[in-house]
Amino acid sequence: DAGVIQSPRHEVTEMGQEVTLRCKPISGHNSLFWYRQTMMRGLELLIYFNNNVPIDDSGMPEDRFSAKMPNASFSTLKIQPSEPRDSAVYFCASSWGENTEAFFGQGTRLTVV
Amino acid sequence: DAKTTQPPSMDCAEGRAANLPCNHSTISGNEYVYWYRQIHSQGPQYIIHGLKNNETNEMASLIITEDRKSSTLILPHATLRDTAVYYCIVRPIKAAGNKLTFGGGTRVLVKP
Repeated sequence: DAGVIQSPRHEVTEMGQEVTLRCKPISGHNSLFWYRQTMMRGLELLIYFNNNVPIDDSGMPEDRFSAKMPNASFSTLKIQPSEPRDSAVYFCASSWGENTEAFFGQGTRLTVV
Repeated sequence: DAKTTQPPSMDCAEGRAANLPCNHSTISGNEYVYWYRQIHSQGPQYIIHGLKNNETNEMASLIITEDRKSSTLILPHATLRDTAVYYCIVRPIKAAGNKLTFGGGTRVLVKP
């Protein structure tokens, strides 16, 4: 398996634009997580899905952020409108079952100018 | 989730064992101890986890004290590639999903 695949790897956009980050989890995994990492706040859990259903989105910063998982093999994290403070590395991770290790993608480095 | 406390940084010598401490004094009986690491510019990588007993795998050993209030991750023969930030995480056995909450971690520098 190729692991968790995220795209794009790098994204530079202007303030106010819509940004969509994509994630393909490992085949067969039924949990998916979105994290954000900044120097100031470290790794923060934004939202996670179990069997394509959002379980906890309490980490989503505000209404500008939304995440979807239309099927078991794809998820998106959308920011609309984007702001400079959204600049960070966004990681997607997936796992199978409860209390098993989560596998992380390589991340998307987002820069909002 | 219970909190963990780790030293912010530590150095170790290449080829020697690296012992990374973690304090989790408020851990409850239904919580695991997990360790992840993050090498620069990469996503976090799972290392090992345990509940009560000591655990060992091809990457590391995990020593959990009898009262479970602290643990030590041991990298038996540190290499330069082990330079990374190491995260100790306490995770409920049966949470609403597999929530992993990261703290500040320990920045480990392996020196030649």
